[in-house]
Amino acid sequence: KQEVTQIPAALSVPEGENLVLNCSFTDSAIYNLQWFRQDPGKGLTSLLLIQSSQREQTSGRLNASLDKSSGRSTLYIAASQPGDSATYLCAARYNFNKFYFGSGTKLNVKP
Amino acid sequence: NAGVTQTPKFRVLKTGQSMTLLCAQDMNHEYMYWYRQDPGMGLRLIHYSVGEGTTAKGEVPDGYNVSRLKKQNFLLGLESAAPSQTSVYFCASSIDSGHYGYTFGSGTRLTVV
Repeated sequence: KQEVTQIPAALSVPEGENLVLNCSFTDSAIYNLQWFRQDPGKGLTSLLLIQSSQREQTSGRLNASLDKSSGRSTLYIAASQPGDSATYLCAARYNFNKFYFGSGTKLNVKP
Repeated sequence: NAGVTQTPKFRVLKTGQSMTLLCAQDMNHEYMYWYRQDPGMGLRLIHYSVGEGTTAKGEVPDGYNVSRLKKQNFLLGLESAAPSQTSVYFCASSIDSGHYGYTFGSGTRLTVV
């Protein structure tokens, strides 16, 4: 069974700091990988989607990279803000019904 | 706003009661999914549908049933609720098999006492 792991489980940083969230997956035969943001008591908001043929995707202050050979993806957040505080989830898609989530990284950006 | 809408947002059930969760999407997506989210376990797929009139089991289907009578709606039913079904339930949809990613609803928080 494919597994998706996110490290660290929680992260607290001061405002303005650049940070990296990590996501690893056991099976490198993924179709794509998607990063989501989840606010407390809310649903999942899609941040970035990286296809298996791509190395990275960027949206504003967010940059996600994908290295299939090593089974890793990173989400880079530049100049973090208190509004970035949320749980960040990565999900690796192997098929339409094989879309595996990590347990998330809970980020707290302190003013 | 276009997207995935889930109703209800919150519900408390007594053990043995039944209920139906409704998911509606207005994006003309073919594929729809039901997930549950539990602390420390991430999201797990319960059931999914690849089109109107079709349903299939996911990773944790026991105790749940689903129906997709209309393309835009995907219903999740609990026939006899158990405390182990206390969870947050998310519906998602995708235009195809996931190449363009997934869109999630805001979730239903269900407590079974």
